[in-house]
Amino acid sequence: QKEVEQDPGPLSVPEGAIVSLNCTYSNSAFQYFMWYRQYSRKGPELLMYTYSSGNKEDGRFTAQVDKSSKYISLFIRDSQPSDSATYLCAMSRSGGYQKVTFGTGTKLQVIP
Amino acid sequence: NAGVTQTPKFQVLKTGQSMTLQCAQDMNHNSMYWYRQDPGMGLRLIYYSASEGTTDKGEVPNGYNVSRLNKREFSLRLESAAPSQTSVYFCASSPHQGTGLAREQYFGPGTRLTVT
Repeated sequence: QKEVEQDPGPLSVPEGAIVSLNCTYSNSAFQYFMWYRQYSRKGPELLMYTYSSGNKEDGRFTAQVDKSSKYISLFIRDSQPSDSATYLCAMSRSGGYQKVTFGTGTKLQVIP
Repeated sequence: NAGVTQTPKFQVLKTGQSMTLQCAQDMNHNSMYWYRQDPGMGLRLIYYSASEGTTDKGEVPNGYNVSRLNKREFSLRLESAAPSQTSVYFCASSPHQGTGLAREQYFGPGTRLTVT
């Protein structure tokens, strides 16, 4: 079983929809939770990260962490065609150097 | 400010050939990383350098070597390429050193490598 599980999609939504992207994980020691966006044939780009539980909002993006369920989510409000990309979740433990474990990514397509 | 740059963008090698992938960052970051990305496998860490002068193995180091030439540059070498090393290679850098070291990483555009 992988430490981080992510539905590969693809997920197709109409423009303006609210998108929910999710990851589950098995390692309860994870404390940092990140979301990256990767456009086709480009490198991943950090969207946001959160520490421990709770929500974090940045513009149209909201990251949510539920450590009791080992479940994290990224919500995109008012989705745009420019949001079409693969979204990678990532997580790590805290303390000293801790490697980052990435999900395999969910491909999102926002249809105009 | 170019961020993280990688050369070459594409490369085709024959089995047994060697090559070096170059990476440079102009953000004055302390830490640098090499990943490979394969379908269904996600990003896997090959090697990392927590600071200038240090390098450590990641989860898939076999068949690779690295050099942290200075604070800006971190190269990845394939001594004898194998078809299993066909992949997309990403270099990344991070400003942090210490707790939560790798939580904020900036990636380069990648090198697409095919080994025949």
